[in-house]
Amino acid sequence: GQNIDQPTEMTATEGAIVQINCTYQTSGFNGLFWYQQHAGEAPTFLSYNVLDGLEEKGRFSSFLSRSKGYSYLLLKELQMKDSASYLCALTNQAGTALIFGKGTTLSVSS
Amino acid sequence: GAVVSQHPSWVICKSGTSVKIECRSLDFQATTMFWYRQFPKQSLMLMATSNEGSKATYEQGVEKDKFLINHASLTLSTLTVTSAHPEDSSFYICSAIATGKPNTGELFFGEGSRLTVL
Repeated sequence: GQNIDQPTEMTATEGAIVQINCTYQTSGFNGLFWYQQHAGEAPTFLSYNVLDGLEEKGRFSSFLSRSKGYSYLLLKELQMKDSASYLCALTNQAGTALIFGKGTTLSVSS
Repeated sequence: GAVVSQHPSWVICKSGTSVKIECRSLDFQATTMFWYRQFPKQSLMLMATSNEGSKATYEQGVEKDKFLINHASLTLSTLTVTSAHPEDSSFYICSAIATGKPNTGELFFGEGSRLTVL
């Protein structure tokens, strides 16, 4: 099965940089995903890492280390609208559906 | 990008009634769709994998007789919550992978359906 662990809550201020960590254990690895979810809305895709290293996409970057079972999502130049829940996810054993972590609620203040 | 539509967005029903939620892929075909449930302040929990033309695969702990899933076409999957009770009140979200597309990691989500059972 899969086990995904991420902090429950984080706070930061506008303009700052925040790093949301995710550690995982899985019997079969097919990539690690990050999603953003605003309250009451469906998740939106942020990033997908299948190889070790850093993937940069605008203000958001995602890092993966498969040997350490570790990933992080880096958010730069934080804006108020970045206040949301950030979900780390892995594929299930069949390699089809996504299994989500509990999510990290990020609160950005001015 | 690909669009997945869910209907209804909100539904309120009486205890003991059944509620059907539809999930449609609007501009692509989806052999496989997924149903998730999310309780307040919790993460998405996978309920079942819906396969077009065959029976759904349910996750452990999910009652298949209570949550009926039908995937009759390549663009439509339905979830019916039978004999709903207040504890079934939740946010139900469907998602889909486009048929024939490699897994780029982008699972397309519907807007979600908030069910409240009185």
